[in-house]
Amino acid sequence: DQQVKQNSPSLSVQEGRISILNCDYTNSMFDYFLWYKKYPAEGPTFLISISSIKDKNEDGRFTVFLNKSAKHLSLHIVPSQPGDSAVYFCAASATGTASKLTFGTGTRLQVTL
Amino acid sequence: ETGVTQSPTHLIKTRGQQVTLRCSSQSGHNTVSWYQQALGQGPQFIFQYYREEENGRGNFPPRFSGLQFPNYSSELNVNALELDDSALYLCASSSGTERAYGYTFGSGTRLTVV
Repeated sequence: DQQVKQNSPSLSVQEGRISILNCDYTNSMFDYFLWYKKYPAEGPTFLISISSIKDKNEDGRFTVFLNKSAKHLSLHIVPSQPGDSAVYFCAASATGTASKLTFGTGTRLQVTL
Repeated sequence: ETGVTQSPTHLIKTRGQQVTLRCSSQSGHNTVSWYQQALGQGPQFIFQYYREEENGRGNFPPRFSGLQFPNYSSELNVNALELDDSALYLCASSSGTERAYGYTFGSGTRLTVV
């Protein structure tokens, strides 16, 4: 069963516009959420995280929103840049599970000129 | 900081064989986790080691085993390889068992089982 879902396999956005990547989860025990970015031939790189006690976390151009009642989170990138083109993974963890991360299947973002 | 390094980068094995993948953790990190990423999927948690002891395991059979050494480097061993074991294997290290935001991933080992 897929406990973390990213339903959009790909997204194309023009440079300068907003990119919105979505993620849904089913496990109510998840209380910490992360976004990772992955370039080809490299490992995932941590981008931004949010605890379930918050509904928003911002870091520069990146903002993550959490809607616990809907079990939904989203990553906003504003403005999008060509260097943001990568695969983005949503991940979740629950307290007491040895920091095990459960990942979604990823969304490939293409930022065009 | 030297980052997380994994070896080899690519490997081809025959079904039924055994394989050992290696990981060198980032300096100062005492926790290591291994993930399997099949094509088109997200990484899946295999297990985690903290101070040389297994500290959590995902839904993988016992033929997946690991070791962590006193210098915090780590190995992933897979016995009786199956075709479905073909995947990218990622190692991630952190400085403790706190929330995983601090994990640093290596570039992975691409294993192909034929």
